[in-house]
Amino acid sequence: QVTLRESGPALVKPTQTLTLTCTFSGFSLSTSGVCVSWIRQPPGKALEWLALIDWDDDKYYSTSLKTRLTISKDTSKNQVVLTMTKMDPVDTATYYCARIRSGRPYDFDYWGQGTLVTVSS
Amino acid sequence: QSVLTQPPSVSEAPRQRVTISCSGSSSNIGKNAVNWYQQLPGKAPKLLVYFDDLLPSGVSDRFSGSRSGTSASLAISGLQSEDEADYYCAAWDDSLNGLVFGGGTKLSVL
Repeated sequence: QVTLRESGPALVKPTQTLTLTCTFSGFSLSTSGVCVSWIRQPPGKALEWLALIDWDDDKYYSTSLKTRLTISKDTSKNQVVLTMTKMDPVDTATYYCARIRSGRPYDFDYWGQGTLVTVSS
Repeated sequence: QSVLTQPPSVSEAPRQRVTISCSGSSSNIGKNAVNWYQQLPGKAPKLLVYFDDLLPSGVSDRFSGSRSGTSASLAISGLQSEDEADYYCAAWDDSLNGLVFGGGTKLSVL
């Protein structure tokens, strides 16, 4: 049974760095083709893709946020970590992690329940 | 402004058929397969269609997808009230070297 769960602070201050952890089970990120991605959704708005890491440790980032994002994995712990620097109120959103089972077309077949992050002083 | 363009909303009566369009460009839909997601209110998105027209296990065959040129479509037949949700298309973009989503379409079943 595949599950993913996001964890991290619910509230961060402007200019701070956000660190989110995706803890998963039921699959291995060392299996060829498997990837984990982060997606966010501001309240009442659309989904926005943030970053992706694959089984081979290749990393891909949203062009608009690339300078602020870092994605990494700990295969032994079944975790993927996303850091986002210089947080701003516009970064207030629900952050999801999701699994890609086999590379392209990069379809997210399992999602976490999401974690709401509010950026406010 | 999303890279993939969807109508903000569509509506149709129960038991009817509706289509949701997703327009892109040669660097995304023109070259790569499209996936569709359904997001019920207050829930995480759910994979609805992948690789343009394939249905994950457990997804009703009332849903179908297609892709032609730089556009894709999601069709829902036999509309039910439980289909009221937001629907998103997504595809890899070779120019951006990343994944892009549509702006989402809110489906209302009248």
